[in-house]
Amino acid sequence: EVQLVESGGGIVQPGGSLRLSCAASGFTFSSYWMHWVRQAPGKGLVWVSRINSDGSSTSHADSVKGRFTISRDNAKNTLYLQMNSLRAEDTAVYYCARGGSTSCYGWGQGTLVTVSS
Amino acid sequence: QSALTQPASVSGSPGQSITISCTGTSSDVGGYNYVSWYQQHPGKAPKLMTYEVSNRPSGVSNRFSGSKSGNTASLTISGLQAEDEADYYCSSYTSSSTLVFGTGTKVTVL
Repeated sequence: EVQLVESGGGIVQPGGSLRLSCAASGFTFSSYWMHWVRQAPGKGLVWVSRINSDGSSTSHADSVKGRFTISRDNAKNTLYLQMNSLRAEDTAVYYCARGGSTSCYGWGQGTLVTVSS
Repeated sequence: QSALTQPASVSGSPGQSITISCTGTSSDVGGYNYVSWYQQHPGKAPKLMTYEVSNRPSGVSNRFSGSKSGNTASLTISGLQAEDEADYYCSSYTSSSTLVFGTGTKVTVL
């Protein structure tokens, strides 16, 4: 069974940092693109970042470019999102998703990040 | 990158067909056949319904079909059922090598 389990969310002050993790199981992690997508409370989905199967290619939404970094450890079957200089508008549930380069096939249940003083 | 434009809500009676539109630009929807549609029930993670405009993943009902014309993509749900009541989002690949989601559409089964 394909499983994606996010962790690392919590409450952080504006300007702070947080690293999210996504533990993958039930599929060959190193063969898939991976994505981060977020959803503010009561709002729509917003794509954040993607990384190719071997980690050599990444891209980020303009809203997080320069502040967030996506990475992966294929030996540990884990996806990461390093989030720096956090702002109130980054408050959201963050989902990791397995995919191709242009779509997200399967999603985790999400982890909530709250940026507040 | 601006969000793709979807109607806020669409409704229909059981058994009817409904269509949700997703309008972008030539830099996203119109430029690539990389439009996907997702279904999200309240409190749940999204689920991929169609990808690359009109392909359905294994296990998704053939009542869901995707299409595209110019800068507008569409998702049609035929034979509407109560379980189809959910939020629906389109997404597209963009010329900046990023993805962008639509604003979302709430589907109500009357």
